[in-house]
Amino acid sequence: GQNIDQPTEMTATEGAIVQINCTYQTSGFNGLFWYQQHAGEAPTFLSYNVLDGLEEKGRFSSFLSRSKGYSYLLLKELQMKDSASYLCAVLDSNYQLIWGAGTKLIIKP
Amino acid sequence: GAVVSQHPSWVICKSGTSVKIECRSLDFQATTMFWYRQFPKQSLMLMATSNEGSKATYEQGVEKDKFLINHASLTLSTLTVTSAHPEDSSFYICSARGHSRTETQYFGPGTRLLVL
Repeated sequence: GQNIDQPTEMTATEGAIVQINCTYQTSGFNGLFWYQQHAGEAPTFLSYNVLDGLEEKGRFSSFLSRSKGYSYLLLKELQMKDSASYLCAVLDSNYQLIWGAGTKLIIKP
Repeated sequence: GAVVSQHPSWVICKSGTSVKIECRSLDFQATTMFWYRQFPKQSLMLMATSNEGSKATYEQGVEKDKFLINHASLTLSTLTVTSAHPEDSSFYICSARGHSRTETQYFGPGTRLLVL
């Protein structure tokens, strides 16, 4: 079966750095997406990785290792508004998006 | 990023009535649109995928006669919840994607449905 694992919940301090991991086992791979979802709102797109390596976009970076079936989202200089759920999703061989359950990130002052 | 709108944002209706939700891609042509449902504190659940001009493909367990999907143009898809019941109360979210299957799905803001 297809499986995406990410921690259920993480807590971090304002101004710090946090890394949210995602491991996947899917039938094929056509890219990995990270989305942010604030409580009560729809997801918003953060990043897309299809090649190995690190993609940096402002305070957020996303890393992919296809051989390890592993990705992480790195958030720097955390702000209170970063409190949200972070969803990892993999595009499989059928170009179907397989969703992780999401990681709830709690930022404390 | 691309903009997707959804209307209405909130619906409260009586049991047995039908509710139509619209999803529009405002600045790009959405070859494919997706309809999701999300219950409180739970993951996104894909309900169906629709391609412009074709019948929607429904996920296992989703009743196609209850959740009618129409994707008549490259910028508009509609979801009609027929004969809604309290258990249909949920957060319904659409997303849209362009022509390429590796393109990003952009989400609408969602519609909260409360069936009394």
